[in-house]
Amino acid sequence: DTAVSQTPKYLVTQMGNDKSIKCEQNLGHDTMYWYKQDSKKFLKIMFSYNNKELIINETVPNRFSPKSPDKAHLNLHINSLELGDSAVYFCASSYRPGAEQYFGPGTRLTVT
Amino acid sequence: AQSVTQPDIHITVSEGASLELRCNYSYGATPYLFWYVQSPGQGLQLLLKYFSGDTLVQGIKGFEAEFKRSQSSFNLRKPSVHWSDAAEYFCAVGAGSGNTPLVFGKGTRLSVIA
Repeated sequence: DTAVSQTPKYLVTQMGNDKSIKCEQNLGHDTMYWYKQDSKKFLKIMFSYNNKELIINETVPNRFSPKSPDKAHLNLHINSLELGDSAVYFCASSYRPGAEQYFGPGTRLTVT
Repeated sequence: AQSVTQPDIHITVSEGASLELRCNYSYGATPYLFWYVQSPGQGLQLLLKYFSGDTLVQGIKGFEAEFKRSQSSFNLRKPSVHWSDAAEYFCAVGAGSGNTPLVFGKGTRLSVIA
């Protein structure tokens, strides 16, 4: 069983479109995260939810909106996609903030 | 707030040679320390972690790391590198409590040559 899964794995879309990435974890963790990894492999945290409550909201354009329908799911919706949004987006989870995180396989987003 | 520095952006080693990847952290209390590996096209996989106790921790894939409080370091080592170890390695530091998530270093890319 995959611990943290993301869909889709690849996403190619045009500028201006709206897209969503879904994440699910079956580890029973309370905390989930979204990261953006750029071409230089730098990991930037975007959002974190703990027990469905938003606890981390870094400096991210408000075109990005996370949604956590329950503790096992954290989705990321992106409006009006721009070229600079092209990156790999990782979902992760942990049993509490500050504990070890378990990562999904990533979603490679390409905006053309 | 905690921070992590990985001084080496890219390291190349020969297959069979030993490896040490450096990690320095900044944190006022006892840190929670982690090493992750990211193979090409994959997500990050936890190699090992340190919370307390024995300062030499063993991880998966034959890796180990040593916590040295006096040097604020948590260096990753492997006695004999395999070609499959070529990947990006990330050090991370976490707090023992609160809502602060892990802080990741910028990563060290490991290349392995024959």
